Amino acid sequence: KAGVTQTPRYLIKTRGQQVTLSCSPISGHRSVSWYQQTPGQGLQFLFEYFSETQRNKGNFPGRFSGRQFSNSRSEMNVSTLELGDSALYLCASSFNHEVNTEAFFGQGTRLTVV
Amino acid sequence: SQQGEEDPQALSIQEGENATMNCSYKTSINNLQWYRQNSGRGLVHLILIRSNEREKHSGRLRVTLDTSKKSSSLLITASRAADTASYFCATVGRGRRALTFGSGTRLQVQP
Repeated sequence: KAGVTQTPRYLIKTRGQQVTLSCSPISGHRSVSWYQQTPGQGLQFLFEYFSETQRNKGNFPGRFSGRQFSNSRSEMNVSTLELGDSALYLCASSFNHEVNTEAFFGQGTRLTVV
Repeated sequence: SQQGEEDPQALSIQEGENATMNCSYKTSINNLQWYRQNSGRGLVHLILIRSNEREKHSGRLRVTLDTSKKSSSLLITASRAADTASYFCATVGRGRRALTFGSGTRLQVQP
């Protein structure tokens, strides 16, 4: 069974631009979550989608948004990029919305904002 | 913000030795999970322990959970050079779904 696939793996953008990252969960998984990892703040939760609906949201500005499609694939978008948005963005998929369900992570997308 | 802290921040041991990492958290939890990350790549799920469990094993891994002290430990026995990585604990709080991560322990296993 294929794992969580994130595309692209690396991305360089200029301040002020916007970016869209993609995540394909493990087949059969319906929950997708996004996390940001930076050296300063560590791993922080962005949002979670289940059945095309955002179920939870972390403490990030409105420039960060996401969506989930009917096939459970998810995208996250960051508008008006800032230098501080440079990070590794990780997507995780889970089989369902239950709290005691394991989360499986992709390899991440490394975003550099210059 | 981080849920808690991991201790130590860095650990260097010889191959064959055991490695113990500790994690403390602040709020009531549904479960606690441990993950491994190699060189800024994706996180690999190691083990999940529920709040009503005290100990869990998986291969060379042993995880304990003490909810009264809000702490957990991960023991890797007979370590190998391939175990070199950062290890993170993550909690799922009561009434929540998101993982809240600790700051991680960098483990270096010398061959």
